[in-house]
Amino acid sequence: NAGVTQTPKFQVLKTGQSMTLQCAQDMNHEYMSWYRQDPGMGLRLIHYSVGAGITDQGEVPNGYNVSRSTTEDFPLRLLSAAPSQTSVYFCASRDRHDQPQHFGDGTRLSIL
Amino acid sequence: GEDVEQSLFLSVREGDSSVINCTYTDSSSTYLYWYKQEPGAGLQLLTYIFSNMDMKQDQRLTVLLNKKDKHLSLRIADTQTGDSAIYFCAEGGGATNKLIFGTGTLLAVQP
Repeated sequence: NAGVTQTPKFQVLKTGQSMTLQCAQDMNHEYMSWYRQDPGMGLRLIHYSVGAGITDQGEVPNGYNVSRSTTEDFPLRLLSAAPSQTSVYFCASRDRHDQPQHFGDGTRLSIL
Repeated sequence: GEDVEQSLFLSVREGDSSVINCTYTDSSSTYLYWYKQEPGAGLQLLTYIFSNMDMKQDQRLTVLLNKKDKHLSLRIADTQTGDSAIYFCAEGGGATNKLIFGTGTLLAVQP
């Protein structure tokens, strides 16, 4: 049972480049979320989805897009990378809104 | 909006008990969670408590919830060096259906 799988684990981009961070889960969970983790700020919610075809914004959505065409996949797109988006990104999934989230191992992204 | 606060740092000696505290603002939260993050790793769920409970015990871990004061604590008995990590408190299941995290408490265990 793979759980939540994030790819890539590490990435370096130049300012202005675009990129998609991949997230897949094999637990048939309806809820999926993307967080970014920055020093001293904990985890901040970027976007989330409560099911296929449904997405909504979190605390810090600017500069990011998401889509949810299948239950399993929830990719995060950076349209034009900026140095302020240098962070560690975590994807998470859960069965219901009141159940614990299962986290991936994270993607460490640096924007030069 | 919702907010979750934690102290940034706690240092204890091996064998002592550790108590990590957390305060939250959303009184409609259904569940409160504790996650552990070791260096370079993702978040591992340690335990969680339903909002109508006062206490939950799971081996060396004890969670206390004071709903009136919106205060949550995690007690680790017989703290070991392997417990050194960042501990995150989180609330969820409220009206927004989102999970809100605190900034994390770095627990340093001295041998």
